[in-house]
Amino acid sequence: GAVVSQHPSRVICKSGTSVKIECRSLDFQATTMFWYRQFPKQSLMLMATSNEGSKATYEQGVEKDKFLINHASLTLSTLTVTSAHPEDSSFYICSATEGGSTDTQYFGPGTRLTVL
Amino acid sequence: GEDVEQSLFLSVREGDSSVINCTYTDSSSTYLYWYKQEPGAGLQLLTYIFSNMDMKQDQRLTVLLNKKDKHLSLRIADTQTGDSAIYFCAESQAGANSKLTFGKGITLSVRP
Repeated sequence: GAVVSQHPSRVICKSGTSVKIECRSLDFQATTMFWYRQFPKQSLMLMATSNEGSKATYEQGVEKDKFLINHASLTLSTLTVTSAHPEDSSFYICSATEGGSTDTQYFGPGTRLTVL
Repeated sequence: GEDVEQSLFLSVREGDSSVINCTYTDSSSTYLYWYKQEPGAGLQLLTYIFSNMDMKQDQRLTVLLNKKDKHLSLRIADTQTGDSAIYFCAESQAGANSKLTFGKGITLSVRP
């Protein structure tokens, strides 16, 4: 099956620093990638949708200048949390799809971000 | 707007069947999904059903869809300890390329 990886799996950073999270589709080309955020014991909330080579579409309430998304190739999307604060601590999960209306979203294993 | 509701916790004995329920409000939902999340991990797609179907069975998993009541259920037969996880239902309107709206998730605990 299709595999999506995320790196790093866990990161701890100081308040005010920026953190980059990578999402890679390992054995398929992902025309669309999605970034979700999950708080403890809660559901996933979609942050943004990114298509290769174009600007990401952000959900209402998500600051695009704070959460920078780049989908520069068909196998890689990155999420950069800029000037991170403790309230940005969360579990960030990406998903990827090859495209087509019936295609499946394949999820990465997630990245645990802790901002001190 | 879209909203997906789930209860929070279910405990079953190993070998019994588990039934997890979900309701949704968006009548234009086209695809409905069940995902499994183990602790500290991403989501694994278990199964999905198109809105024009009433039932789908895949090995130990049976999905029932009542479109009139906007009710989706997942039955796990012969539940095993390895089935302990959080289960999310999700819906989308136009397949995987469109946004998924997730329920809050239900924690399934399987006791020996």
